[in-house]
Amino acid sequence: DTEVTQTPKHLVMGMTNKKSLKCEQHMGHRAMYWYKQKAKKPPELMFVYSYEKLSINESVPSRFSPECPNSSLLNLHLHALQPEDSALYLCASTETERASGYTFGSGTRLTVV
Amino acid sequence: AQSVSQHNHHVILSEAASLELGCNYSYGGTVNLFWYVQYPGQHLQLLLKYFSGDPLVKGIKGFEAEFIKSKFSFNLRKPSVQWSDTAEYFCAVKGGSYIPTFGRGTSLIVHP
Repeated sequence: DTEVTQTPKHLVMGMTNKKSLKCEQHMGHRAMYWYKQKAKKPPELMFVYSYEKLSINESVPSRFSPECPNSSLLNLHLHALQPEDSALYLCASTETERASGYTFGSGTRLTVV
Repeated sequence: AQSVSQHNHHVILSEAASLELGCNYSYGGTVNLFWYVQYPGQHLQLLLKYFSGDPLVKGIKGFEAEFIKSKFSFNLRKPSVQWSDTAEYFCAVKGGSYIPTFGRGTSLIVHP
């Protein structure tokens, strides 16, 4: 299995909703990442988990809350989002934080209404 | 700090034309370099990467890139593009930081 699986593929949520994005990989990778990508723009790093511990938080607002329950799973909990948070949210993994060459998931396209 | 720039923001070609997309980076030490492709509505996929060794790197789908250390460049090339190559192309550099820095991307449109 050489994939990173993200669910759901599409999500529409209101500004008062609470929802979660899920990312799963079974490649034994120990570093996992959340990126946010606006249309026609490069991905922006949000969070990095290394060996299930939060390694990097790129000053992301607290309405985004990451969680890494085990080495295969990465969640992103969403609460009280704003319309400007609408974007493609990408999960990626690498063997370790020092390793190179991401494997990206197909992303969750989030629309906040 | 590492940085990367892609000078061509939009490129329009006809099928069978040759392609070269520019990528220049800024970092004084050893770097890892990448090209990613994102087809319309899809996720990023790794096209090719350079870590060390032969500076001419061959990737998937007939793409190649050449690392020229003296020019801090890692340009992407393809001798003959196809309509299916229409996509966004992102160059990325990984130097002092464990996290790669992505360029702003180049939008390639290939007309049939």
